Amino acid sequence: GNSVTQMEGPVTLSEEAFLTINCTYTATGYPSLFWYVQYPGEGLQLLLKATKADDKGSNKGFEATYRKETTSFHLEKGSVQVSDSAVYFCALSPAAGNKLTFGGGTRVLVKP
Amino acid sequence: GAVVSQHPSRVICKSGTSVKIECRSLDFQATTMFWYRQFPKQSLMLMATSNEGSKATYEQGVEKDKFLINHASLTLSTLTVTSAHPEDSSFYICSARDQRSGELGETQYFGPGTRLLVL
Repeated sequence: GNSVTQMEGPVTLSEEAFLTINCTYTATGYPSLFWYVQYPGEGLQLLLKATKADDKGSNKGFEATYRKETTSFHLEKGSVQVSDSAVYFCALSPAAGNKLTFGGGTRVLVKP
Repeated sequence: GAVVSQHPSRVICKSGTSVKIECRSLDFQATTMFWYRQFPKQSLMLMATSNEGSKATYEQGVEKDKFLINHASLTLSTLTVTSAHPEDSSFYICSARDQRSGELGETQYFGPGTRLLVL
């Protein structure tokens, strides 16, 4: 079946540091890939997505590139802010349908 | 943006009672809603897919008689945990898919979740 593996947290960074959260997946065919973010006390929000190989999703300074050859979708941000403190979830949706399979989530804490 | 609400946000109940959780799409219509369960420090696990006007589709291992889902309108789905037991204590999250969305893997909008504690 489908699965998503992402690095465990928590990840603690200083403001303006570079952030990388690794995400790899197992799926048949060509799934769509997503990063969701959950800020404290709020619901999950879509951060970015990519629907085919080599696509790059980007939003709010975050980027992730769909790498079919390594089955990865790593999330990066060049300079984090305190407001980026949240839990980040990597997820996939199979090519034929819209059910989401989530990774375990990575908590990020950015300190001033 | 699209907003999904859940009510209640927290509920504590006695073992053996039933608990109903509501999921509403506030500014869009959703023919499909999803119910997830999240254990502490673990991932979201899909429980069931709720389709307006038809029976829900449950994931393998989820008891449909235990977790009753009703999607009576385009903006409301309910999850009822029947005869709740302590092992049902968890964080329940719903999401809704805008019916106007067409592409595969379309965006799901998530509610803030409901924390259930069964004593």
